[in-house]
Amino acid sequence: DSGVTQTPKHLITATGQRVTLRCSPRSGDLSVYWYQQSLDQGLQFLIQYYNGEERAKGNILERFSAQQFPDLHSELNLSSLELGDSALYFCASSRDHINEQFFGPGTRLTVL
Amino acid sequence: TQLLEQSPQFLSIQEGENLTVYCNSSSVFSSLQWYRQEPGEGPVLLVTVVTGGEVKKLKRLTFQFGDARKDSSLHITAAQPGDTGLYLCAGHTGNQFYFGTGTSLTVIP
Repeated sequence: DSGVTQTPKHLITATGQRVTLRCSPRSGDLSVYWYQQSLDQGLQFLIQYYNGEERAKGNILERFSAQQFPDLHSELNLSSLELGDSALYFCASSRDHINEQFFGPGTRLTVL
Repeated sequence: TQLLEQSPQFLSIQEGENLTVYCNSSSVFSSLQWYRQEPGEGPVLLVTVVTGGEVKKLKRLTFQFGDARKDSSLHITAAQPGDTGLYLCAGHTGNQFYFGTGTSLTVIP
């Protein structure tokens, strides 16, 4: 158990819908990262927050957004969902913005 | 173009064999991590190397950081079916954290 929690574990929805994925970092970690992993792609970095502020941006679509709240938990919002958004979404946390990351168990999103 | 290239991409070996996985880049990294991921689960941190030339051992796994801090290798001795998984290297350079392309290892009993 890495100490990072993600909810929900599974999510099934339809195209065009909007979903919110939630992540709670390890106690004491200030940085949260979001990744997307699909079968034909590796681990794709989406976005990083550090102590409530956006720190780095990767291949995140405009339909996706995220935020980190004062209690340091983070949410990833995915809107206007498409079939191709079906993937595993991982959250990771680290002590600060450059340390090794600890991953949550992931949310499996299926868009039908 | 990936900043961290791993080779081989796929590896299937018999139980008891030795293997080496490589992680290469043209960039210098402040530190480099190795993770192992099993299907449907999040990557699990195995080790962090920080100093050029550093060698770390974790039971049958040996990790080495290149002298120039641009590459790393993971050597597994006497592989076991439990070693099966996706091995990912990752490193921090500049203000960003990058993951490698991954090596999928299958150890056949």
